[in-house]
Amino acid sequence: QVQLQESGPGLVKPSETLSLTCSVSGDSIRSDGFSWAWIRQPPGKGLEWIGSLFYSGGAFHNPSLKSRVTMSKDTSKNQFSLKMNSVTSSDTAVYFCARQLWGSGGYYFDFWGQGTLATVS
Amino acid sequence: EVVMTQSPATLSVSPGERATLSCRASQSVRSDLAWYQQKPGQAPRLLIYNVSTRATGIPARFSGSGSGTEFTLTISSLQSEDFAVYYCQQYNYWPTFGPGTKVDI
Repeated sequence: QVQLQESGPGLVKPSETLSLTCSVSGDSIRSDGFSWAWIRQPPGKGLEWIGSLFYSGGAFHNPSLKSRVTMSKDTSKNQFSLKMNSVTSSDTAVYFCARQLWGSGGYYFDFWGQGTLATVS
Repeated sequence: EVVMTQSPATLSVSPGERATLSCRASQSVRSDLAWYQQKPGQAPRLLIYNVSTRATGIPARFSGSGSGTEFTLTISSLQSEDFAVYYCQQYNYWPTFGPGTKVDI
């Protein structure tokens, strides 16, 4: 069973950088046919895709966030990470990491972490 | 950006009844559509992908249909554990989610 677990500071000051890490077990981030994604959910609101990272290092970002987002991976630890700079209160959200199928079979999110709340204040 | 809308915002049903949830895309997404279930304090769970294929372990009472811009999730006989928020998501372009339908008692 694939499991993902987010970690990172729960509180970030405005204008600073939010940094989160996702630890993956039960699968390798090197696996073909998958990307590794970040999705967020402001309190009481819906879901917003942030971006997806490939083992090769390539990435796709939500155009509305692209200029502030950097994603990276550490294959030795089977982890991937998100950095979002210049945060404001509107970036307060639960941040989920997820595995995304990538290929002719579709591009949906099949396994999710439990989420971590990041508050900008 | 493909904008997803869902209706109704809230659906009140009784256990054992049938629930029909709608999802609409602002442009055709072909069959590139998934449904997720989210309970309070939990991550979304994949229910259905490619419009109508149930994910592993999802009961047969969940079914999906549609194509292009109009999609439907049907829960044939609601169980107590089905009361939750349901989101549709398209992946024909960069991924976007609908605002959700809350199914309550």
